[in-house]
Amino acid sequence: EAAVTQSPRNKVAVTGGKVTLSCNQTNNHNNMYWYRQDTGHGLRLIHYSYGAGSTEKGDIPDGYKASRPSQENFSLILELATPSQTSVYFCASGDGQGAEQFFGPGTRLTVL
Amino acid sequence: GEQVEQLPSILRVQERSSASINCTYENSASNYFPWYKQEPGENPKLIIDIRSNMERKQIQGLIVLLDKKAKRFSLHITDTQPADSAMYFCAVHSGGSNYKLTFGKGTLLTVTP
Repeated sequence: EAAVTQSPRNKVAVTGGKVTLSCNQTNNHNNMYWYRQDTGHGLRLIHYSYGAGSTEKGDIPDGYKASRPSQENFSLILELATPSQTSVYFCASGDGQGAEQFFGPGTRLTVL
Repeated sequence: GEQVEQLPSILRVQERSSASINCTYENSASNYFPWYKQEPGENPKLIIDIRSNMERKQIQGLIVLLDKKAKRFSLHITDTQPADSAMYFCAVHSGGSNYKLTFGKGTLLTVTP
């Protein structure tokens, strides 16, 4: 089974501050994804990547950037955090079109 | 983009009865339909999936039905147990060259003893 880890697991940030969420996967999957989960909205895709050096906008990219410096690592960056970005963020990886996505444990972000 | 509607949002059933969750989608080119289970405080985990070349798939007590004409698919959990209590999400892959899944908003299933 793919191993996907996220750090930090919990984060409290101030409005206007910069936040970086990190994700690492060890199963050599090409594709990686960042979602946020909010009650009543399910899982919504923020950014995704096909491989090292690539990032693509998902369904709700505004206010977020992403970086994929290597096959294993995919970061989500909030340059100017806002309280509306308080959420649980999940990273996932997968190895192809329509294939299973393996989720990390999640990061709970609170922006005050 | 793709829109996925999932109903009901809350489902409460008695132990040993069946539970059914329904999802509809818009894009007729969609070709992959996974179901994820998320327990409290945990991450979503794939429990069963179906591809567009199938109409029915069963893994133990889980049954997925796909009606491509109606653009509808459903999850049926037979002989439910309290351990089946969780949030369930359907998802759709819309085909083409993108690798995205679009998720439904989830169903909170509670199985009472």
